[in-house]
Amino acid sequence: AQRVTQPEKLLSVFKGAPVELKCNYSYSGSPELFWYVQYSRQRLQLLLRHISRESIKGFTADLNKGETSFHLKKPFAQEEDSAMYYCALRSSGGYQKVTFGTGTKLQVIP
Amino acid sequence: EAQVTQNPRYLITVTGKKLTVTCSQNMNHEYMSWYRQDPGLGLRQIYYSMNVEVTDKGDVPEGYKVSRKEKRNFPLILESPSPNQTSLYFCASSSKGDPGRGQYFGPGTRLTVT
Repeated sequence: AQRVTQPEKLLSVFKGAPVELKCNYSYSGSPELFWYVQYSRQRLQLLLRHISRESIKGFTADLNKGETSFHLKKPFAQEEDSAMYYCALRSSGGYQKVTFGTGTKLQVIP
Repeated sequence: EAQVTQNPRYLITVTGKKLTVTCSQNMNHEYMSWYRQDPGLGLRQIYYSMNVEVTDKGDVPEGYKVSRKEKRNFPLILESPSPNQTSLYFCASSSKGDPGRGQYFGPGTRLTVT
């Protein structure tokens, strides 16, 4: 069974401070991992996908297969980063079974 | 505009009264899914569909039905709703040809079952 763990329900940081949102996963195959963001009263939207290795809104995430982690990082938090962040794992092999973590609320304090 | 739409956005109903939540996408996506979002539990996949007439159970399928008769539509059916199905429901779609793009989500349907 696949599982995604986000250990922090709430992460509060001051504006300008570094941010790290943790995500650990359990999956027997090669995982496809994503980060989604949900701003207040809005729908979820894709933030990052592990295969692209790109930076979106200053956020980056590296897949560490040895530690089975996919932590989301940003060097300097902005107030507009305040939102719910979800890590998600999609099973490989053409299936669309997706497991989300329980989410971390990021609160950036001015 | 590329989008996923859901109707209704808000619904209050009573136990046992059958209801359907519609989901439609205009991006010609093959894959579609339904999720429920509950406080402290995040999003949990109810059902997903790989293409027309191809559906499979997610993690929490009990009490729900789906059908995929057309590529653009993926309705969620609650034959006999119960209070524990009170939740926020999201539909999502994604492309088989560009799987790395992740999913596009609908705006959500807030369902209350009394």
